[in-house]
Amino acid sequence: DQQVKQNSPSLSVQEGRISILNCDYTNSMFDYFLWYKKYPAEGPTFLISISSIKDKNEDGRFTVFLNKSAKHLSLHIVPSQPGDSAVYFCAASANDYKLSFGAGTTVTVRA
Amino acid sequence: DTAVSQTPKYLVTQMGNDKSIKCEQNLGHDTMYWYKQDSKKFLKIMFSYNNKELIINETVPNRFSPKSPDKAHLNLHINSLELGDSAVYFCASSHQSSAGELFFGEGSRLTVL
Repeated sequence: DQQVKQNSPSLSVQEGRISILNCDYTNSMFDYFLWYKKYPAEGPTFLISISSIKDKNEDGRFTVFLNKSAKHLSLHIVPSQPGDSAVYFCAASANDYKLSFGAGTTVTVRA
Repeated sequence: DTAVSQTPKYLVTQMGNDKSIKCEQNLGHDTMYWYKQDSKKFLKIMFSYNNKELIINETVPNRFSPKSPDKAHLNLHINSLELGDSAVYFCASSHQSSAGELFFGEGSRLTVL
């Protein structure tokens, strides 16, 4: 039973435009949310996170938005660059040592 | 210097065999994890150790046995391998014992024939 869902398996965007990745969760106990980025043949790397007490966190070109009432978060990348082409995983934690991951969204940035 | 390193990166073996994957981290973290990425690409936690103590043991068959000789190492031993064990296994570590920013290794792709 997946508690974190990324319903879009892939996203194609033109260089310079905005990439919006979505994530939904079902467990109301989740209080910390993260995005990880993964290149082929590498492990996931931490990108950005947000606590449930916030609704927005920004780090350079990356912004994460959290809508607790809708149990929804999104990652905005603007402007998108070719190096952003990767698989992006949404993850959530209930402060219980475990991260629950979504299945990932493959982003392709077209030149 | 690789922060979290796993060996081997690729492992092909026959059903019924026993194999081990080793993991080492040089980040000084006190918590280490094993995650499994299955064919549907979901990353699922298997085990977690904090300062050599087992703190998470998800519903994993007892054919899987983690061992942490010290807080910088977490090895995974798998007995009597089955076809369904084929997956990519990721080791990770974190500074705090609560889930947060994890540092992952490159993964070990296990193929059981």
